[in-house]
Amino acid sequence: GIQVEQSPPDLILQEGANSTLRCNFSDSVNNLQWFHQNPWGQLINLFYIPSGTKQNGRLSATTVATERYSLLYISSSQTTDSGVYFCSGGFKTIFGAGTRLFVKA
Amino acid sequence: EAGVVQSPRYKIIEKKQPVAFWCNPISGHNTLYWYLQNLGQGPELLIRYENEEAVDDSQLPKDRFSAERLKGVDSTLKIQPAELGDSAVYLCASSLGVSEHSGNEQFFGPGTRLTVL
Repeated sequence: GIQVEQSPPDLILQEGANSTLRCNFSDSVNNLQWFHQNPWGQLINLFYIPSGTKQNGRLSATTVATERYSLLYISSSQTTDSGVYFCSGGFKTIFGAGTRLFVKA
Repeated sequence: EAGVVQSPRYKIIEKKQPVAFWCNPISGHNTLYWYLQNLGQGPELLIRYENEEAVDDSQLPKDRFSAERLKGVDSTLKIQPAELGDSAVYLCASSLGVSEHSGNEQFFGPGTRLTVL
């Protein structure tokens, strides 16, 4: 089956810093999603992005489908951005292990 | 528009007892998913329904887990009997499910946190 690798596994930022999270797939997927899991466990949809680039406020994402990876950009990070960021995709909706982000005030 | 609804939010049971979780997807969403999430890991798909049909249950441990979606709307996931290792968060998600190439964005409910003692 498809393997999903996320990096970095852990990230600590000072408030206001920018960051890039990466998601690599072992095979092509047509339903790539990014989620933020907040401290209460709710998975919040960030982007549905099988290909191309999307932006939503301070967040943006780019998927290069032909090279089987996606990037999530967080600009001017805030403490409320803390949590775990997951990417997922594939017929059996495989999730990566996540990137745990902590933003310090 | 209401999101995916799950109940109960928390459940504590003794091992060997049965337990059931309920999910109501977003109105109009044909595809429903059940996931299991262990602490510190990403969700793992257990079963996927297209309307009433379970189109992928290959990762559902069928000796103790069962699921149903009788009218193609809400769904129930059951464990009988529960084991200590079943302690986890059980997540339900739904999507429009229009085709293989569209309508596949998944929306998740808040989950049910199960503790087996």
